[in-house]
Amino acid sequence: GAVVSQHPSRVICKSGTSVKIECRSLDFQATTMFWYRQFPKQSLMLMATSNEGSKATYEQGVEKDKFLINHASLTLSTLTVTSAHPEDSSFYICSARGSGIAYEQYFGPGTRLTVT
Amino acid sequence: DAKTTQPPSMDCAEGRAANLPCNHSTISGNEYVYWYRQIHSQGPQYIIHGLKNNETNEMASLIITEDRKSSTLILPHATLRDTAVYYCIVRVAPGTSARQLTFGSGTQLTVLP
Repeated sequence: GAVVSQHPSRVICKSGTSVKIECRSLDFQATTMFWYRQFPKQSLMLMATSNEGSKATYEQGVEKDKFLINHASLTLSTLTVTSAHPEDSSFYICSARGSGIAYEQYFGPGTRLTVT
Repeated sequence: DAKTTQPPSMDCAEGRAANLPCNHSTISGNEYVYWYRQIHSQGPQYIIHGLKNNETNEMASLIITEDRKSSTLILPHATLRDTAVYYCIVRVAPGTSARQLTFGSGTQLTVLP
């Protein structure tokens, strides 16, 4: 099946700094990528959807200036958490969807962000 | 996409079959039933999906009622590694116009030794 990777798997950063999370589709071209966030003991919540070469569409309540998403190629999307605060500590999961047999949505392993 | 209802938690003895129910009474004719699971601190993993016929793969079986208003995911011989949150999701067939997967609260399955 299609594989989606994320890097880093864990990151700790200080409050006020920015952190970038990469999401890659390894064996298919991802025309659409999704970013989810999951707080402890809660379900996944969609943050934004991005199509390659276009601006991301953010869900209500998600600050687009704080969570910068770039989907510049068909295999790479990045999420940058700017001026991170402790309340941004969460599990961030990306998902990718392509075309043809890759129409399904495939998930990355997630990135655990801790802001101190 | 139709909403789903799942029990919040279930226990199952190791080696026994785990039967996870899902209600989706408002499902439309063109909507599929998907099952994913999420092991702690990992990304969701696809398990199986179906439209109206029962489906089986190497991981599980999916039984969909004739009226399609409910379904059951069956793990035939549960192991400790099957302990996870299981999500039942109803959605239209994948394609460029399909919306993203939306996750409910799922069922926490705990396989007991």
